Formats: sequence, C-alpha cells, structure tokens
Amino acid sequence: GQSLEQPSEVTAVEGAIVQINCTYQTSGFYGLSWYQQHDGGAPTFLSYNALDGLEETGRFSSFLSRSDSYGYLLLQELQMKDSASYFCAVREGGKLIFGQGTELSVKP
Amino acid sequence: DAGVTQSPTHLIKTRGQQVTLRCSPKSGHDTVSWYQQALGQGPQFIFQYYEEEERQRGNFPDRFSGHQFPNYSSELNVNALLLGDSALYLCASSLAIGLQETQYFGPGTRLLVL
Repeated sequence: GQSLEQPSEVTAVEGAIVQINCTYQTSGFYGLSWYQQHDGGAPTFLSYNALDGLEETGRFSSFLSRSDSYGYLLLQELQMKDSASYFCAVREGGKLIFGQGTELSVKP
Repeated sequence: DAGVTQSPTHLIKTRGQQVTLRCSPKSGHDTVSWYQQALGQGPQFIFQYYEEEERQRGNFPDRFSGHQFPNYSSELNVNALLLGDSALYLCASSLAIGLQETQYFGPGTRLLVL
C-alpha cells in the first residue's frame, strides 16, 4: 500500500527551530515534496528532494534519505506567520500522494 | 505572472445535482491535476490532464470526470453529488519536464453538498 506518516501536531515558540518528520511507503518514488497550507488556503510549495541530502531555502531546509524512506522539514527562526499545516508528499508518476499533515502552532 | 486560478470560490449544491469546477493553470504550464481535500486531511489525487487527455487517475468513481482545453485550462465535473463530496477541490498546474514536475496549487473551490 501507499502511506505517509507525519506527526499530527507540533508546537514551538517564536525564534525556535522545529523539525517535522515524514516516513513513507510507496510503490514508486520520484521525490519528496513539502507544502505549507494556511487555514483553507492554497497549498504552497516549499521544497523538493529527489536525491539524498539536505536542500536549503532561506529559513526552511528539507532532508531526504531514500534508503530509510524518510525525510524531514526543518524550520528555523520560527515566526508567528509559520503557524500552518505542513504536508509531505511523494510523487508517483504524475500524482502527488500526501500525508495527513502536521499542524504547527508557533507561540509568542 | 498569474498563478493558478479557480472558479467559483464557493459553491452550495444539493444531493443528486451536478457541478462543474474550473481551473486556469499558471502561465507556461501544460499539465493540470485535480485533488479533493476533506477537512483535516491531506489532498487526495483525482486525476491529471496533459495534452487534453487524462494521463493518470486516482481512486475516484466515474462520477468524477474532467476535461482539458487547448489553452490548457481544465474542468472537473461531478455528477450525482453525495454528501461526502463536500470538500475543498484543488487544482494544481505543472510543466512536464523530466522527473521534476513541481505542482503549484490554486486557492481551491469549497463545495458544500446539502
């Protein structure tokens, strides 16, 4: 079967660092993506990893280990506006298979 | 550069009715995918259109159908609506280049079936 596991919720304080983990089990794999979604809005693309290692984009970094079927999103210098749902997604052919999402709450 | 646009933003229908949702892809994109997102869940893939053909389909019944036009815009049609079809319907566009095909999402259409 196809499944992605990520924590349902994470809480952190402003200025802190938080890591959101994602493990996946899929029949095909073209890469791991991360999306951010504020309440009922459009999912916004954050990052994509096709190969093992770390990708850095500003305050956000994403890591992939294909041998472990594992990845994570690292958010640094947290800001209140980072409060949102974060989804990992695996690409199989043309479709994205999403996890259930991690709701991040950033407290003052 | 306009992003992905969808219409309408909200829609209320009753059981048994039919609905058509519309999507215009990001400029330069040729591929459109549709997703259904229930409250508190991740988006679920419905199907993808490329060159006016359905290229890939998720686990949705035949009540869900679509179309892509020569200008790459797309429609999602749902027949015989059920209460369980109430959800946020998201359209994503991408450019089919190699294996990296980042999908960019529109704001969605929130459908309520009564």
